[in-house]
Amino acid sequence: EPEVTQTPSHQVTQMGQEVILRCVPISNHLYFYWYRQILGQKVEFLVSFYNNEISEKSEIFDDQFSVERPDGSNFTLKIRSTKLEDSAMYFCASTEWWGQGAGYTFGSGTRLTVV
Amino acid sequence: SQQGEEDPQALSIQEGENATMNCSYKTSINNLQWYRQNSGRGLVHLILIRSNEREKHSGRLRVTLDTSKKSSSLLITASRAADTASYFCATDSIQGAQKLVFGQGTRLTINP
Repeated sequence: EPEVTQTPSHQVTQMGQEVILRCVPISNHLYFYWYRQILGQKVEFLVSFYNNEISEKSEIFDDQFSVERPDGSNFTLKIRSTKLEDSAMYFCASTEWWGQGAGYTFGSGTRLTVV
Repeated sequence: SQQGEEDPQALSIQEGENATMNCSYKTSINNLQWYRQNSGRGLVHLILIRSNEREKHSGRLRVTLDTSKKSSSLLITASRAADTASYFCATDSIQGAQKLVFGQGTRLTINP
């Protein structure tokens, strides 16, 4: 069964450093997403991306965040200057279409620890 | 704002019993999905039910959807120790926002 692949599985970074989280969505999917889950809390939407542009973003997704699809397969989330409160599990997801019946496939996540 | 909210927040049952978890939401939806998450791990998609469906089965899982009450239930029959996990419902709004809204989840513990 096709999978969404995320790397790395765990990243530790110093506060103030930039991090790039990488995702390879399912190849025929057109919509891409990032979500995050702070430990013990619910999963929160960050951003959706379609046709090489952001289609929706949450208020969490401020100027320190950016997304990019640098080539035909990768989808990245960059956090420019990490803060302690950015420590969380970050999930990438993709869908073939959006609307009724559209099932999301999530990656296994990147655990980001900011120290 | 739209929210998926599950209840109970925690459920502990004996192996072999059935587990029922409920979810409520606030706005019109395209789909409602249920996910499982083992502690500290990724989200595993369990089942998707469309807004025009009322019930769906997948193995030991049964999901119902009542759009008039804006609620859904997930039933796991003949529970096993391996079913111990957190279960989340997630909805996507019919109103155009391309995102899922997750509930707080139900922490299910199956006692052997």
